Amino acid sequence: GENVEQHPSTLSVQEGDSAVIKCTYSDSASNYFPWYKQELGKRPQLIIDIRSNVGEKKDQRIAVTLNKTAKHFSLHITETQPEDSAVYFCAASKLTGGGNKLTFGTGTQLKVEL
Amino acid sequence: DTEVTQTPKHLVMGMTNKKSLKCEQHMGHRAMYWYKQKAKKPPELMFVYSYEKLSINESVPSRFSPECPNSSLLNLHLHALQPEDSALYLCASSQGGRGPINSPLHFGNGTRLTVT
Repeated sequence: GENVEQHPSTLSVQEGDSAVIKCTYSDSASNYFPWYKQELGKRPQLIIDIRSNVGEKKDQRIAVTLNKTAKHFSLHITETQPEDSAVYFCAASKLTGGGNKLTFGTGTQLKVEL
Repeated sequence: DTEVTQTPKHLVMGMTNKKSLKCEQHMGHRAMYWYKQKAKKPPELMFVYSYEKLSINESVPSRFSPECPNSSLLNLHLHALQPEDSALYLCASSQGGRGPINSPLHFGNGTRLTVT
């Protein structure tokens, strides 16, 4: 089955700096890569996603890049703010007979310090 | 506001109890999911329903029994649980469909379950 590795497990940055989180996946058939943000005690919320036919996608301060050859994808957050502090999960999935079977990475605890 | 509603928010049950978790969505999504999340861990997939039929069971013990009464509702029936089953149980839905597109999952706020 799919295996998704995520690094780093914790990341501290100063407010205004950029943050980068990296993930690798094992199954070359995976074609959909979402990123979720989970604040303490709350649900995971989709912040951005990318499909395998696209190399990069940007939404305001958040961008995701995908390298299919190397089987890795990254989340980039620019101009970080304290409210960006949360756990971020990457995930990968491929087409199945029904539903969207996501395999999550192990998560990155991002702390944005004032 | 979340578009996927889960009840109850918190549940404490003994190992001999029978209880149910409920999930509802009105986005017209045709795929619904149960995930289990332990503290500081990623969500782990338990079950997937597609068009009200169970399409994926990730080898979940039989003390967890899912049910999808209609396209908007998803239940998880619990019986004879163990303390290690204590976790946050998340419901999610996605557009689903029989086409070639994976669609985003929308999560509910979860039920915090404690088994004593």
